[in-house]
Amino acid sequence: EPEVTQTPSHQVTQMGQEVILRCVPISNHLYFYWYRQILGQKVEFLVSFYNNEISEKSEIFDDQFSVERPDGSNFTLKIRSTKLEDSAMYFCASRTTGPTQYFGPGTRLTVL
Amino acid sequence: GENVEQHPSTLSVQEGDSAVIKCTYSDSASNYFPWYKQELGKGPQLIIDIRSNVGEKKDQRIAVTLNKTAKHFSLHITETQPEDSAVYFCAATGYGQNFVFGPGTRLSVLP
Repeated sequence: EPEVTQTPSHQVTQMGQEVILRCVPISNHLYFYWYRQILGQKVEFLVSFYNNEISEKSEIFDDQFSVERPDGSNFTLKIRSTKLEDSAMYFCASRTTGPTQYFGPGTRLTVL
Repeated sequence: GENVEQHPSTLSVQEGDSAVIKCTYSDSASNYFPWYKQELGKGPQLIIDIRSNVGEKKDQRIAVTLNKTAKHFSLHITETQPEDSAVYFCAATGYGQNFVFGPGTRLSVLP
């Protein structure tokens, strides 16, 4: 069964450094999402992406964040200058034209 | 915007008993309500979903009910097993929009 994959599973970085989180959505999916989950809290929407552009973003998704689909398979989230409060699990999700979103296993980002 | 509340935050049941988790939503325009199970260290996995034109849906031991008038929907797990232990999240959304998740319920099934 096809699934969303994410790399790395765990990323440790120093405050102020740039990180890129990578996702490979399910191959025939058209809509892509990033969510984050701070430890012990609920999953929060960051951004949605369709047809090579951002369709919606939350207030969390400020100028430090960017997303890109550099080729036909990868979908990336970049944080330009990480802060301590960016420490969280980051989940990628994708879907076809239906409403069901399929989530990847997540990347745990730790900012020191 | 949409706001989703979820109760209880923790739930412990004996193996074989039933578990019920309830969510309420605020936006009457929401029309799709999925339930996700998250095991430790893993991503959310869809277990069942329901659309607003349906009042109930069942898949083996799992069922979801929706009351559009009251704006609440519930997850029912019967004959619980230890492997049902996880955190369960409900979500609400308009069709094709981003999910708004509830805060989660930690279910423990005691052997």
